[in-house]
Amino acid sequence: DIQMTQSPSSLSASIGDRVTITCRASQGIYHYLAWYQQKPGKVPKLLIYAASALHSGVPSRFSGSGSGTDFTLTISSLQPEDVASYYCQTYNRGLGTFGQGTKVEIK
Amino acid sequence: EVQLVQSGAVVKKPGESLKISCKGSGYSFPDYWIGWVRQMPGKGLEWMGIIYPSDADTTYSPSFQGQVTISADKSINVTYLQWSSLKASDTAMYYCARQYCHGANCNPAMFEYWGPGTQITVSS
Repeated sequence: DIQMTQSPSSLSASIGDRVTITCRASQGIYHYLAWYQQKPGKVPKLLIYAASALHSGVPSRFSGSGSGTDFTLTISSLQPEDVASYYCQTYNRGLGTFGQGTKVEIK
Repeated sequence: EVQLVQSGAVVKKPGESLKISCKGSGYSFPDYWIGWVRQMPGKGLEWMGIIYPSDADTTYSPSFQGQVTISADKSINVTYLQWSSLKASDTAMYYCARQYCHGANCNPAMFEYWGPGTQITVSS
């Protein structure tokens, strides 16, 4: 199985801060990496696919990068509505695995 | 508009069987993979498996293989997730979700549209 490890597990940042979440795969997954946002009590939403492609309607302050085993989700300027948990997910070879999630809060 | 409508919350006892459903509309149901995702209370998302309704081709996560059964009835646009013998540890929210597919950019295991979730509580 491919394991996905996110860090940190939680973070607290100020409005306007640049926030970075990392995701590491236990083996190479090329660019088959998606990021989801789940706000408290809500359904997950797709933010980024293919490691760096922004899903339709997602604000441009979100960006993704990486390939192989190391990936990053960046929020360029944290907004109050970004309070949520963020999950990476590999979808390589028709199988999916989520990371354990990163909870983002406002300081 | 793509919609996924899931069956309602359920309370069951350990050892009981259960089948929950997810009905798709607003798109050609047989032609898109549907997956199931578990979220235990206060925990993260877990990818369970996917099914292609057109031919019932199914892929399970190793963690869920043998623990649940995913099926579909394309004649009524419904996907199912079932248990033969529930355990307390099956208590969770279960989401169905449709694959991402735009033009040539399609992948069965990544999800764009999500259902609202079905809460399952297993307690004696």
